Parts: sequence; structure tokens; C-alpha cells
Amino acid sequence: AQKITQTQPGMFVQEKEAVTLDCTYDTSDPSYGLFWYKQPSSGEMIFLIYQGSYDQQNATEGRYSLNFQKARKSANLVISASQLGDSAMYFCAMREFSGGYNKLIFGAGTRLAVHP
Amino acid sequence: DGGITQSPKYLFRKEGQNVTLSCEQNLNHDAMYWYRQDPGQGLRLIYYSQIVNDFQKGDIAEGYSVSREKKESFPLTVTSAQKNPTAFYLCASSSSLYNEQFFGPGTRLTVL
Repeated sequence: AQKITQTQPGMFVQEKEAVTLDCTYDTSDPSYGLFWYKQPSSGEMIFLIYQGSYDQQNATEGRYSLNFQKARKSANLVISASQLGDSAMYFCAMREFSGGYNKLIFGAGTRLAVHP
Repeated sequence: DGGITQSPKYLFRKEGQNVTLSCEQNLNHDAMYWYRQDPGQGLRLIYYSQIVNDFQKGDIAEGYSVSREKKESFPLTVTSAQKNPTAFYLCASSSSLYNEQFFGPGTRLTVL
């Protein structure tokens, strides 16, 4: 079964508008963490934002916010005021304890295109 | 500047040859990781290391080997036993297994 599901293979948004990238997850572990990474065409993975399973408030980092709905097991990334430089692949990842160690499990990613 | 370096950026190898990918970090991080990324897919964990002289297999370790003789360095060897080695390889590090991981720029390996 998919642990991390990103249902949007591709999204596009107009510059300066907000966009939401979806992520749902599946775990029975009460303690887990959720991450979003950005991967531009250069290939490097850039850490954007983190949400812990026990955090009461949604995480925010500048123009990035995480809409964490624990009961629905969703952790959507919201990018406000999109910029051309936001065009990239975005990956949702979950940290869970499995096989004796904490591991990161990545979704398949969503390609975001920002249009001028 | 602190960060993670990987070399080379592009690597070509003939079938049957072993090749070693370099990963160095100066972030003083204890944990280091190697991931493989295939086109259109997310990352899959190959190996990880929590501390010097210790490493563990990830989800797809077959055909790969690693060493961790120094805190700063975590080289990955892709052996001839790896059936389909053409991929993008990313190295990462974190201050602990619980914290966010920081990634290097990656090495694109192509087997000819």
C-alpha cells in the first residue's frame, strides 16, 4: 500500500496566485513527521517545511504553509504568492519508525509550473 | 559555507564495472544517507549511517556498498551486481535520525 500519495502529477498556477499541492499519508505509528521538499531542474532537494504529528498548529515558513489535517491524514502544501522560481518538482515525505530505524518515505512528486 | 558536496556530477560507466560516488559534508552531522531516484519517481533509500563505522541497509541495498570511516564522508559503490544502475543518486545528512535531511546536488550515473 502507498504510504505517501501525491495525486497531482502536474499543476500549474499563475504568478502571484496561491496554489495547494496535495499529500495524503498512511501510518499506524502515533509519532511521525511530515516534510516537503522542492526539487528544481538542477536536481538538488531543498527542504521547505516540517510538521510533527503532535504539533497543534500548522507549520509555516515564509510563503509556505502546511495544511495539516490529522484525522484525514493529509498534509497539503500551500504556496502563497507564487513566483516563477517556484516552478519545480515538489515531494511530500513522511518519517516513520520502521525496521528498527527512522526512515523517510517519499511520494512520487508533483510538478508545479508557474506561468507569468 | 557549510553544505554537502557530491562528485562527480555526471558519471558514465561500462557494464560490469564498479564505480564509487563521493559524498562529503561539513555540517558536523552524525547521520548520512544515500538515495536513488528514477525518472518520474520519488526517492528510495539505499543505505544510511547513524555514526562513524556503522551503517545499515535501506530498502534497495542490493548491488550497492558503503563505508563510513570518517564523519564527513559516506562514499557509495555501485557494483556490477546492481542490475539497473542508471539513475540519479542523492546523498543527504541530518543532525540526527529525527531531523530534516539536507541534500547534496546529486550524481547522475549512466551505464553504457
